[in-house]
Amino acid sequence: SQTIHQWPATLVQPVGSPLSLECTVEGTSNPNLYWYRQAAGRGLQLLFYSVGIGQISSEVPQNLSASRPQDRQFILSSKKLLLSDSGFYLCACPASGANTGELFFGEGSRLTVL
Amino acid sequence: GQQLNQSPQSMFIQEGEDVSMNCTSSSIFNTWLWYKQDPGEGPVLLIALYKAGELTSNGRLTAQFGITRKDSFLNISASIPSDVGIYFCAGHGGGSNYKLTFGKGTLLTVNP
Repeated sequence: SQTIHQWPATLVQPVGSPLSLECTVEGTSNPNLYWYRQAAGRGLQLLFYSVGIGQISSEVPQNLSASRPQDRQFILSSKKLLLSDSGFYLCACPASGANTGELFFGEGSRLTVL
Repeated sequence: GQQLNQSPQSMFIQEGEDVSMNCTSSSIFNTWLWYKQDPGEGPVLLIALYKAGELTSNGRLTAQFGITRKDSFLNISASIPSDVGIYFCAGHGGGSNYKLTFGKGTLLTVNP
């Protein structure tokens, strides 16, 4: 079974500072990878997904970006954080090889922008 | 885009009571999923439904995939304090669609 590691688990950053959240996946190869954001403890918003190395699809226009430098590594970045970027960021990958929609989530990274 | 309407938004119940929550969609899904999220953690899959009309149980949880493929419900019987959390429904269109659409969640509070 797969394992998703996210770090840092918690982050407090000032407005205008850069951001880098990292997600690595074990136990699977060539997975689709997803970044979701959850604001105020409710609702999961899909930010980015990737079907392979270097392939990123953006769902919501914003000041965030994503990269996939390796098969099992997915990075969420920002050059200048906004207050509205605060939230709980979740990395996910399919729970099985088939495209049935079942996603397995990491433990999340909580970002507070002050 | 696809939207899911999940209700109720929150529930306050006594331990031992049964709970029911549901989701409706403006479009058809091939898979319906129910997740639970404990505070500060990522969502965990509870039940997956793959066929219209399917009724599936997982312990005290029962979920159904609506015949129209546009709705699903989740029931929890004999609730216990550890059932507290946020429950999300999610729909998947199947095929080359890589995206999962989530409801906004039902916050469940169980009073001992």
